[in-house]
Amino acid sequence: GESVGLHLPTLSVQEGDNSIINCAYSNSASDYFIWYKQESGKGPQFIIDIRSNMDKRQGQRVTVLLNKTVKHLSLQIAATQPGDSAVYFCAENPRFYNQGGKLIFGQGTELSVKP
Amino acid sequence: DARVTQTPRHKVTEMGQEVTMRCQPILGHNTVFWYRQTMMQGLELLAYFRNRAPLDDSGMPKDRFSAEMPDATLATLKIQPSEPRDSAVYFCASGYRGGGEQFFGPGTRLTVL
Repeated sequence: GESVGLHLPTLSVQEGDNSIINCAYSNSASDYFIWYKQESGKGPQFIIDIRSNMDKRQGQRVTVLLNKTVKHLSLQIAATQPGDSAVYFCAENPRFYNQGGKLIFGQGTELSVKP
Repeated sequence: DARVTQTPRHKVTEMGQEVTMRCQPILGHNTVFWYRQTMMQGLELLAYFRNRAPLDDSGMPKDRFSAEMPDATLATLKIQPSEPRDSAVYFCASGYRGGGEQFFGPGTRLTVL
């Protein structure tokens, strides 16, 4: 029979273009956020993180933006490459500064890069 | 190159059999997490440990699942008896802060027939 599963949001971009992946988080008390990349057949891999006392953080070709007012997180990838094709997850931690809690993962967005 | 290791990478078993998955966290990490990933539910936290003590296993079906850390270098996840609905990829992750970055292993792909 036909299998039913999550239909991940999909973003398709041309190689060399910039990508923006969005995430809405659920808990206004969350004070730490991470973006993970998961390639097919592999475990999630850390990309970049941000604490709630920051609005923006930059890494190599990636930038994370945090808007606490609307509980929104975005990941920007500059000059997207075929190797960036993967599923991207945002994760939030409600009690980072208390050294407790656990990461709560979003459903993920599939990024497809066209050569 | 420190990384989380998991064994086995693939497991096919029949319904009713016991399954044991193992994880070696990164040396020095004091927090270990077990996740299950399926197409239907996405990535779900099953249980996690800090300094080998279980902190939260509310995501785990307790009648058939059990998680332990016999020592700081080994975490185990057991399913007994296994059921077809347990088919999924099981990930172990470790970290050195309570809620900070988690480093994931390659996963164990479990198929229960």
